[in-house]
Amino acid sequence: AQTVTQSQPEMSVQEAETVTLSCTYDTSESNYYLFWYKQPPSRQMILVIRQEAYKQQNATENRFSVNFQKAAKSFSLKISDSQLGDTAMYFCAFNSGTYKYIFGTGTRLKVLA
Amino acid sequence: NAGVTQTPKFQVLKTGQSMTLQCAQDMNHNSMYWYRQDPGMGLRLIYYSASEGTTDKGEVPNGYNVSRLNKREFSLRLESAAPSQTSVYFCASGVGRYEQYFGPGTRLTVT
Repeated sequence: AQTVTQSQPEMSVQEAETVTLSCTYDTSESNYYLFWYKQPPSRQMILVIRQEAYKQQNATENRFSVNFQKAAKSFSLKISDSQLGDTAMYFCAFNSGTYKYIFGTGTRLKVLA
Repeated sequence: NAGVTQTPKFQVLKTGQSMTLQCAQDMNHNSMYWYRQDPGMGLRLIYYSASEGTTDKGEVPNGYNVSRLNKREFSLRLESAAPSQTSVYFCASGVGRYEQYFGPGTRLTVT
């Protein structure tokens, strides 16, 4: 069975610093998609970044970037120049080409002023 | 564009009562999903609809039914609510299988 593991339940970072959130997954598929979603206190789920497994280049969206290590089945999210608005739950998710997304249990990130 | 809308935002039910959660999207997406979110467990897929006229079970379908009324609307029904169904419910829609947009969620409490 496919699984997604986020081993850091909570993290904190000082404003303007860089933080990395970890995610590992398990699958026997060779082609799949990985996602990071942000859930602020408003509860709205927002897509932060997406990575296709067949692409070797790591995805980047402004201050957000990923470190995708396919052999290690690792997909970490780096947030640079952290801002107070980045305070949220962050979920890693996996999709192997079916309609069944699998989510991790989340990491609660707090950005400190 | 309103994106994905859900009604109601909050609901309290007594054990055994029934209700329907409504979801609509205006992005012309083919696929739609229902998830539940419980503390410490992330999001779990209840049902999904790959296209109008089709529905399939997800990870936790027991106690729920769904209807894909048309391309825009996908409803979730609890026939006889139980305290174990206390959760936050999210609807999502997507383009194909590789992208999802979420609604604001419904907080349901069953007493």
